[in-house]
Amino acid sequence: AQSVTQLDSQVPVFEEAPVELRCNYSSSVSVYLFWYVQYPNQGLQLLLKYLSGSTLVKGINGFEAEFNKSQTSFHLRKPSVHISDTAEYFCAVSESGSNYQLIWGAGTKLIIKP
Amino acid sequence: EAGVTQFPSHSVIEKGQTVTLRCDPISGHDNLYWYRRVMGKEIKFLLHFVKESKQDESGMPNNRFLAERTGGTYSTLKVQPAELEDSGVYFCASSQMRAQYFGPGTRLTVL
Repeated sequence: AQSVTQLDSQVPVFEEAPVELRCNYSSSVSVYLFWYVQYPNQGLQLLLKYLSGSTLVKGINGFEAEFNKSQTSFHLRKPSVHISDTAEYFCAVSESGSNYQLIWGAGTKLIIKP
Repeated sequence: EAGVTQFPSHSVIEKGQTVTLRCDPISGHDNLYWYRRVMGKEIKFLLHFVKESKQDESGMPNNRFLAERTGGTYSTLKVQPAELEDSGVYFCASSQMRAQYFGPGTRLTVL
């Protein structure tokens, strides 16, 4: 992938409200898509991945994402957020035929308001 | 199953000194990657090992960085001599297929 764009650097949302974190990418070949989460003072944890098959993928902690090839997007959603979801979320892409190195978005900080 | 581990978790050194970061991948994972996040910037790929061989080191910033993977197990990343712009968080990841699993990172501060 040539680039990955996460348009929102921060997303504030009230607890129990739904949230969508946006991710768009540009690539001329097939891609594999990932969302990672970094909780405060922790490492990167794989949240979910799209490799092939159904475009709607479910991950841990109630998150899901939908791959839209025509719009080159892979937005992350959760219907109801909890205070424990406070973290930074990263979208990453690797291209088929590559060594699978990840190309990263800038990250989105999810801020949960009580 | 143990995850990816990295040592040290933090390192503070002075400009011109040498630092060596270590990564122990998940047992059985042939692929090992190093990434770096400089403050305020995106996470960037540094290099990729398949077993003990460097598959791609196109992301290494310059020849002050040297990575090795002894016997296809753990990997080290040495910075010599360190410069101010080397400060950041260094992540290691391992994989057997396409999904990469990350360690907690090493926060390097060069003063």
